[in-house]
Amino acid sequence: SQQGEEDPQALSIQEGENATMNCSYKTSINNLQWYRQNSGRGLVHLILIRSNEREKHSGRLRVTLDTSKKSSSLLITASRAADTASYFCATLNFGNEKLTFGTGTRLTIIP
Amino acid sequence: DGGITQSPKYLFRKEGQNVTLSCEQNLNHDAMYWYRQDPGQGLRLIYYSQIVNDFQKGDIAEGYSVSREKKESFPLTVTSAQKNPTAFYLCASSMRDRASVYGYTFGSGTRLTVV
Repeated sequence: SQQGEEDPQALSIQEGENATMNCSYKTSINNLQWYRQNSGRGLVHLILIRSNEREKHSGRLRVTLDTSKKSSSLLITASRAADTASYFCATLNFGNEKLTFGTGTRLTIIP
Repeated sequence: DGGITQSPKYLFRKEGQNVTLSCEQNLNHDAMYWYRQDPGQGLRLIYYSQIVNDFQKGDIAEGYSVSREKKESFPLTVTSAQKNPTAFYLCASSMRDRASVYGYTFGSGTRLTVV
């Protein structure tokens, strides 16, 4: 089953602009994680936010979590061509170690 | 360098054949996972294993089998019972009870095509 739904499905922006993608999920979670996938490659862990946190930063990444709305957003500031990839949110429920992934947002940065 | 290795990168299967995808990690991770990714879709869990000699079905286990005889290895067999096996297969690992802290480490994937 797919826990998360990302929005938008695809996003194209000019290099230097900020990119925002959203994730909604259905059940209570322990934490929410964001991953990046370059075309034809595996996923790379970007950032993790716990259910008792509201915002977290890592370099050019900013993630927010609203557990009352069961939603999260990932902001990439000052985008670069190398940020072109698909981005997935994944949730971890309490009591198990299985990540459930969303459907992903395909981000294209136009040089 | 520590990491997780999947082989082969590309695999072609004839109708009715079983094929085995390899996944090896030298990260000393206890837990390992297999996911399937179809074009334009997210990842769906096939099987996972949290310790050696133990594994559980995920959401789409039908037509697949796994073994976990060694901590480092978690091979996935796609059997002839899997009617639509063409997909991108991803293996991942994590420290036991630490996925909530560090997340998963993924391999680079195997693309399986039925010919």
